[in-house]
Order: sequence, then C-alpha cells, then structure tokens
Amino acid sequence: QVQLQESGPGLVKPSETLSLTCAVSGYSISSAYYWGWIRQPPGKGLEWIGTVSHSGTYYKSSLKSRVTISVDTSKNQFSLKLNSVTAADTAVYYCARAVGATPENWYFDLWGRGTLVTVSS
Amino acid sequence: QSALTQPASVSGSPGQSITISCTGTSSDIGGSYYVSWYQQHPGKAPKLMIYDVSNRPSGVSNRFSGSKSGNTASLTISGLQAEDEADYYCSSYTSTSTLYVFGSGTTVTVL
Repeated sequence: QVQLQESGPGLVKPSETLSLTCAVSGYSISSAYYWGWIRQPPGKGLEWIGTVSHSGTYYKSSLKSRVTISVDTSKNQFSLKLNSVTAADTAVYYCARAVGATPENWYFDLWGRGTLVTVSS
Repeated sequence: QSALTQPASVSGSPGQSITISCTGTSSDIGGSYYVSWYQQHPGKAPKLMIYDVSNRPSGVSNRFSGSKSGNTASLTISGLQAEDEADYYCSSYTSTSTLYVFGSGTTVTVL
C-alpha cells in the first residue's frame, strides 16, 4: 500500500533553514495527485503549509516568502524548505497526499507519521 | 487564528450521538462543496473521516456522517464509542489568499 515517511533534522537553529523530505512508497508521485505539507505546533491545531503537483505549487500566503516545496521524481519524494525559522516554527510536520483536481476540492487521504522539528539554539 | 471555528470540546456517553460544528464564511465553507473532516488520536497522524462534505472513505465506520448548511459544516458521530475519543478537525478551500484552512479543532470526550 502507499506509505509516506518524513525525514530530516529534529533540531534547527533560529534564522536557519528547516529541510524535510517525504519519501513515498507504493506509488509513483509523478503519476497523479498533489503532495502537501501540514504542521502542528505542540498542543495546537493543524496548519496547511503548501501543496505541489506536476501542474503547480501552492503555498499558504503568510508563509509564501519563506517556503519552497519541490518534487524529486527520480527518488519518488518531495521536500519542504522553510527558511529564517523562529521558535514559532516549532511543530510536528506531516507530509500528506492530497486528492482533488484543483485546490477547491482537495482533501488529504494519506498522511505520514509526522516528525517533530524544534527550533532552538 | 484558524479561519474555521469549532467548539473546543464536545462530550457524550457511550451510545449517544454528538455533532461537531465547523463555522466559516461564504469565502470557504459557504462557497464550497468540498469540506473534509479528520480524526486525530494523541501522538498520531490525522485520519481522513469525511470528504466532499458527506462522503466516507472506505473503512470508515458509517457511524460517522457529514453535512453542510450555509456557512456551517457538521460532523455527527452516532453510537458513540470509547475509541471515538480524539481530536477532530474540519478543513476547506478558501477563496482568500490563504487558499486552504483547517478548523480550530474539537476534542471529543466519551464520558
């Protein structure tokens, strides 16, 4: 079955760049679907970060200046880069598969287990 | 602050039915046919429970149902069971620059 697995450093210093990768198994990410990142600060709710597909990339407007999401079809994975991080970026980061032809009808049907990233010196 | 408002907590006894509301605006829920709901147990990833307002993915119990009226979407859990104790989040596209939003989350407690 299709599985998603996040990986990356669990600790990032303030002002540096957070980099995470989501490895997808059981499905070719170049085939279809959108692929996204969602985060959850400790004890708080979910926040959509951005979503990518072969047709384009979409970002939450308030994060757009700091975020890059890209796809590596050769490794069947997609990545998140968030620069100039602060303590407010401390969260569990989830990668997920988004179903839907356009953002208007997205829903996230498969999720990774999540990875905690702490921003601290 | 989340664009979609949910009650912080809802509780019920085993066997009862409960409903979680998700209130937005005409820019999101009111203008969309595509509200989804997620269940999250502590320390776990969210799980899709409802998509496109009222559709259940394969494997999700038919005790879970979704609906929408105007700017408010609702998730109803009937025949409440101990395993339903979790956090629940709604989500929707928004025509604002934010593009996609989650609700504030509701903690369901089974008494």
